[in-house]
Amino acid sequence: ILNVEQSPQSLHVQEGDSTNFTCSFPSSNFYALHWYRWETAKSPEALFVMTLNGDEKKKGRISATLNTKEGYSYLYIKGSQPEDSATYLCASPRTSYDKVIFGPGTSLSVIP
Amino acid sequence: NAGVMQNPRHLVRRRGQEARLRCSPMKGHSHVYWYRQLPEEGLKFMVYLQKENIIDESGMPKERFSAEFPKEGPSILRIQQVVRGDSAAYFCASSPPGQGIGNTIYFGEGSWLTVV
Repeated sequence: ILNVEQSPQSLHVQEGDSTNFTCSFPSSNFYALHWYRWETAKSPEALFVMTLNGDEKKKGRISATLNTKEGYSYLYIKGSQPEDSATYLCASPRTSYDKVIFGPGTSLSVIP
Repeated sequence: NAGVMQNPRHLVRRRGQEARLRCSPMKGHSHVYWYRQLPEEGLKFMVYLQKENIIDESGMPKERFSAEFPKEGPSILRIQQVVRGDSAAYFCASSPPGQGIGNTIYFGEGSWLTVV
């Protein structure tokens, strides 16, 4: 894998359902993995920055895991709420001075 | 501590005019990014700057677009002779010296350019 990829492209879930989606990135020369949340008509906001293999981060009902050896990160949302509706972006800069380039995002819609 | 400030928030230009978008990074931040969101598309990297230096402009269109981050004052994204296809939301982000933990960046609220 050469670039950051995200799947699925979009997701529709019912309120209360739990969901997860994937960010895949080049596993060689790993430096960091970012997750951002981007609500419509607002600016992207950092959720997690992960740097160590096996890292697991949590913020409320949202958590993320990291596998740097195989090059993927999962984002989990437990008990989805309508306010979780947003596009979730990931990025994986390769060095401390690398630019931050985002994957295409996963668009989540939570249906009340 | 003010966040990343972008202005104008909304800008309307006629085809052929120039658009200037400004970005003041967070206090203490020395790096600025510009991104563009075209309709129905994601967030595309344009340029990455440090004060008085362009680090990476690989995402900038080759013509009509330029960016600067002078020693004093905001970063400016300049689009000359705008065309309808330049209509988009332009987001600025900043990061501290040494890039912070894992290069975390902080976004402004965006500038929406409409070309009529």
